[in-house]
Amino acid sequence: DAGVIQSPRHEVTEMGQEVTLRCKPISGHNSLFWYRQTMMRGLELLIYFNNNVPIDDSGMPEDRFSAKMPNASFSTLKIQPSEPRDSAVYFCASSFVVAGGNYEQYFGPGTRLTVT
Amino acid sequence: GNSVTQMEGPVTLSEEAFLTINCTYTATGYPSLFWYVQYPGEGLQLLLKATKADDKGSNKGFEATYRKETTSFHLEKGSVQVSDSAVYFCAAGGTSYGKLTFGQGTILTVHP
Repeated sequence: DAGVIQSPRHEVTEMGQEVTLRCKPISGHNSLFWYRQTMMRGLELLIYFNNNVPIDDSGMPEDRFSAKMPNASFSTLKIQPSEPRDSAVYFCASSFVVAGGNYEQYFGPGTRLTVT
Repeated sequence: GNSVTQMEGPVTLSEEAFLTINCTYTATGYPSLFWYVQYPGEGLQLLLKATKADDKGSNKGFEATYRKETTSFHLEKGSVQVSDSAVYFCAAGGTSYGKLTFGQGTILTVHP
């Protein structure tokens, strides 16, 4: 399996521009998670989906952030408009969740976003 | 909800030294417990896990034992290598949708 795939790996954009980050989870996984990692705040959970349905978006910092999962093999995280404080590494992770099971998550390589 | 507390870092060791990184959790019930490792420029990778009390997870020379009585899951390695330099995260699971609660991470640097 190719693992969790994220694109782009690096993104540099100017303040005010729209940014779209993409994630392809591991085939067969039914939960997907978006995280943000910075030196100041560490690893933060932004939003997660189960069976393509958003379960909890309480970690999304502002209305400028939105996420979608139109099907089981694709998710996007959009920032519009972007600001310099959004600069971070964004990770996508997926897992296969069954009742009573053990839910290790598999992480993608991340997208390093720089907003100037 | 769950919470996970790791020992403060960074931790700096010489090669072949013994490593312990402490991790304690608070949770309702008995969550599955995990250690993840993050090498520079990469995503988090599962290092080991334990699913019930007294279980020992092990991988690549690392070990951790699920201690219900002390609500702990300390990571140990008998002899670290320079290549073990990374950030280590303790995590607790157990929710219906696979959400994990992570500790703040511990930076480990191993010198030759």
